[in-house]
Amino acid sequence: GDSVTQMEGPVTLSEEAFLTINCTYTATGYPSLFWYVQYPGEGLQLLLKATKADDKGSNKGFEATYRKETTSFHLEKGSVQVSDSAVYFCALRDISNFGNEKLTFGTGTRLTIIP
Amino acid sequence: GAVVSQHPSRVICKSGTSVKIECRSLDFQATTMFWYRQFPKKSLMLMATSNEGSKATYEQGVEKDKFLINHASLTLSTLTVTSAHPEDSSFYICSAMLQIIAGGFSYEQYFGPGTRLTVT
Repeated sequence: GDSVTQMEGPVTLSEEAFLTINCTYTATGYPSLFWYVQYPGEGLQLLLKATKADDKGSNKGFEATYRKETTSFHLEKGSVQVSDSAVYFCALRDISNFGNEKLTFGTGTRLTIIP
Repeated sequence: GAVVSQHPSRVICKSGTSVKIECRSLDFQATTMFWYRQFPKKSLMLMATSNEGSKATYEQGVEKDKFLINHASLTLSTLTVTSAHPEDSSFYICSAMLQIIAGGFSYEQYFGPGTRLTVT
């Protein structure tokens, strides 16, 4: 079945540091790939997405490129801010056995940025 | 826009009792909603897909008689944990699907803030 593996946290960085959170996936079809962010006390929010190979998703300074050859969708940001502290989830969307769309999530990576 | 709420945010109940969790799409109609369960340091696990006006579709290993799902309107889905036991303690998250018809057809899931259930 489908699966998503992302780097375990927690990750602690200083403000303005470069961020990479690794994500790799296994899927039988041609999934869409997502990064969600969860701020304390809030629901998951879509951060960015890519629907096909070589697509690059970007939002709020974050980027991720859909790499089919390495089955990866690593999240990067050039200069992080304290406000980026949150839990980040990598996910893929495919069609379930019932014909419904289904999101499969990684375990989440907690990111803490210190001033 | 595209806000999803859950109620309650936290609930503590005694073993053997039932608990109902509500999921509402506040500013859009959702024919499809999803229920997830999140274990500590684990990913979100899809429990079931809820379609308005029809029976929910449960993922393998999820007991449909234990986790009753009702999607009676286009803005409300409920999850009832029946005869709850301590092993049912978890973080339950719902999402609602918003169809976007602009420059083509697409859809996104919008998530609620989650409900922390503790069974004593």
